[in-house]
Amino acid sequence: EIVLTQSPGTLSLSPGERATLSCRASQSVSSSYLAWYQQKPGQAPRLLIYGASSRATGIPDRFSGSGSGTDFTLTISRLEPEDFAVYYCQQYGSSPETFGQGTKVEIK
Amino acid sequence: QLQLQESGSGLVKPSQTLSLTCAVSGGSISSGGYSWSWIRQPPGKGLEWIGYIYHSGSTYYNPSLKSRVTISVDRSKNQFSLKLSSVTAADTAVYYCARGIVATTNYYFDYWGQGTLVTVSS
Repeated sequence: EIVLTQSPGTLSLSPGERATLSCRASQSVSSSYLAWYQQKPGQAPRLLIYGASSRATGIPDRFSGSGSGTDFTLTISRLEPEDFAVYYCQQYGSSPETFGQGTKVEIK
Repeated sequence: QLQLQESGSGLVKPSQTLSLTCAVSGGSISSGGYSWSWIRQPPGKGLEWIGYIYHSGSTYYNPSLKSRVTISVDRSKNQFSLKLSSVTAADTAVYYCARGIVATTNYYFDYWGQGTLVTVSS
């Protein structure tokens, strides 16, 4: 199975700053089938990005995804207070679907 | 607006079978192009995909859990269910049901239930 490694584990930033989160796959992700989710405490994950770079319905344009092959990035251009959360990547290019271990974006 | 709601036992004894149901509203579970999935998250940890059932009734399970998992669908009630047998403390987790969107043969997940905590303890 494909192992996804997210870095950093924790990102300490201030509102208004830019956040750059990394997701690295142990082997190439077919057709850039990579999704990103946001999870706040006590809530279910929320789909942000699919197909590596397509925003899900209702997701603000400050969220963007990029990458291909084994290296993917989620960028939040200007952090809003509601963006402080844990972010997970997920690959669906091969079976079984797998998730990264998460990156926590916390207020500095 | 599609909604999913998990229900079931919150406490299961070791070696017994965990049983959960996901009720779907605002859409039909028989719609093509989707999977109906179970995903879990141990306390303070990451997400693990358990398995899914297609609108056709076919199932696919995570190989790491395959020998213990059964997912079934009840179209008359617009719901699907999870059974996980021979549970241990390692199966303690928040269990989510989710709708999967197909990309070739695998899925990403666009709608999620709120999750239900299942604790395995005697």
